[in-house]
Amino acid sequence: QQQVKQSPQSLIVQKGGIPIINCAYENTAFDYFPWYQQFPGKGPALLIAIRPDVSEKKEGRFTISFNKSAKQFSLHIMDSQPGDSATYFCAGKKASGTYKYIFGTGTRLKVLA
Amino acid sequence: KAGVTQTPRYLIKTRGQQVTLSCSPISGHRSVSWYQQTPGQGLQFLFEYFSETQRNKGNFPGRFSGRQFSNSRSEMNVSTLELGDSALYLCASSPIPGLYEQYFGPGTRLTVT
Repeated sequence: QQQVKQSPQSLIVQKGGIPIINCAYENTAFDYFPWYQQFPGKGPALLIAIRPDVSEKKEGRFTISFNKSAKQFSLHIMDSQPGDSATYFCAGKKASGTYKYIFGTGTRLKVLA
Repeated sequence: KAGVTQTPRYLIKTRGQQVTLSCSPISGHRSVSWYQQTPGQGLQFLFEYFSETQRNKGNFPGRFSGRQFSNSRSEMNVSTLELGDSALYLCASSPIPGLYEQYFGPGTRLTVT
């Protein structure tokens, strides 16, 4: 009941396209869902996060869509650029208590110029 | 504000040896978590420290241990290294446990030969 399943494993899009990365969680106690972006040789960087009381959150070209009933959430990257080429991780966490972050397995995105 | 720093950045050790990795959190952050990142297993939680106390622990053998100092700096130790311990070890800090945002350091790349 702790898993976060992420898909696809890899994704190639043309510049300007809208890559979509999906995650599904099992633990209904999760109430915080961040997305991280990781470039080679770097640690993951917090990109955007959502709580289940909203269905969508936008920050710049990045949008999270959240479907609480389906226990799914997704990351959309609008007008994708070659500089967005990175690995993206979703995660779930319960805000309080000693619950830890549970990460998805990552999606390697390549945006072609 | 300086980010999370980890030392050393790269390390090569031999099977059976032990290793100590260091993490300095963002100034003012008192919670430190450690993760192991490998291509096959993704990001896996090792442990979390707050106020020099381990608050949470992942499913790793006892060879993996950690501690936190009064200045919030943290170290993790791996004894009797195995080839499978080769990974990127990431440290993340947040102001206090339970707060949502955590910020990662660049990681220490450990290679066990």
